[in-house]
Parts: sequence; C-alpha cells; structure tokens
Amino acid sequence: LAKTTQPISMDSYEGQEVNITCSHNNIATNDYITWYQQFPSQGPRFIIQGYKTKVTNEVASLFIPADRKSSTLSLPRVSLSDTAVYYCLVAYPAEGSQGNLIFGKGTKLSVKP
Amino acid sequence: EAGVAQSPRYKIIEKRQSVAFWCNPISGHATLYWYQQILGQGPKLLIQFQNNGVVDDSQLPKDRFSAERLKGVDSTLKIQPAKLEDSAVYLCASTLSPYREYNEKLFFGSGTQLSVL
Repeated sequence: LAKTTQPISMDSYEGQEVNITCSHNNIATNDYITWYQQFPSQGPRFIIQGYKTKVTNEVASLFIPADRKSSTLSLPRVSLSDTAVYYCLVAYPAEGSQGNLIFGKGTKLSVKP
Repeated sequence: EAGVAQSPRYKIIEKRQSVAFWCNPISGHATLYWYQQILGQGPKLLIQFQNNGVVDDSQLPKDRFSAERLKGVDSTLKIQPAKLEDSAVYLCASTLSPYREYNEKLFFGSGTQLSVL
C-alpha cells in the first residue's frame, strides 16, 4: 500500500513552471526523498533527491519543509519532452528489514504546446 | 557507462506457460531489484538481492515466481505457470550499495513487457 500521495495528473503549457507536491506522513528520520521520471516504454530515471530545505540541480528543484511530511518537485520552464510520469519515493520503516521502497501511482504530467 | 540491460524486450505467452527474464546490472553494483509494473501503476518491488543473497522477497508470489542471482551479477526472474494477471512490465534495477543504508539512486533497465493471453 503506497504511503505517498500525489496528484494523479497535471496539465501545463510549454515554458511554464510546474510544481508537483507529494505527501509522505510516515517518513523515517534518516530517509531521503527521491523523485523519478518515467517515459513510456522506459524504466524510471532519477531526477533529484533531498533530505530537507531546498535542493537544485540542472533539471529541477526540490523543496522540503521542516516537518518533512511533504515535498514539492519544481520543473522550471517545461517543454514537450517533460511529458512523463513523475514518482515521489521514500523508504518506509519496517521492523526487521531495511525498509520498503514504495512507488505510488505517480503524477502524469502532460505538457501542451 | 553501460546501463542496466534486460532481455527480452517483449514477450507474449499463453496462460499456464512459463517465461524467464534476464537482467545484467551496472558493473560493480552489488544490489539488484526486480519490480513489476502493471499498466497505470507505479513499480512494485518483487525481490531484492544483495550480491547473490536475497534481502527481501516478501512480495514475490513464490508459488509461481522464482528468481536467482548466481555469482552475484546477472539475474533471472521466472514465472511458471503464468496467469493473465501477470501481464505487466518487469523492471530490473541496481544500486551500488543497499538503498536503505546509503539512500542511493536506483538505475533501471527498460524492462520486459509481458503479455499473457
């Protein structure tokens, strides 16, 4: 059972900034929040990872509030090629194991011209 | 750097037949994962190997699914006998170290799309 909550879909236009928020209420103290991107007929691809506050790379920014119960992936000036499914991933604590990696259903982003 | 290799790319079988998928992780990656992705859903972890030992197979339907990673490199996932509900994309991923310990990113292959008729 997925422990992250994301919008099922989002629409945007080329050149706009897109923000996708993920809720993860039971995140473990030591866990990072990771976002993946998946195009049709391909495996997911790492986009960005963070622990708290803000992380930025050449592709996206990740905003994490102090309580870490949510995170927001920000894609600046999207293009048609950013049309994909975006997954928020955290590892949830489980007794006697390393924790479970749980993908939710992801957010299907559609970028229109 | 070569990525995670998987084969075949597509497979169509009839129910009750058997099928096998192959995965070659990134060189040097100790941890290997098999995921099942049903259309419209996120990937679901089936099994995790650390070298040639199983770390987590709690969600693997062991009555019909089996996996091995002999010599700690390549891995094979088998389904026998297949059911209609096994139709999905089977993804292989690898990490240099155990994800939980080092929060490393997963590297995925392109997957094998299985259709069970």
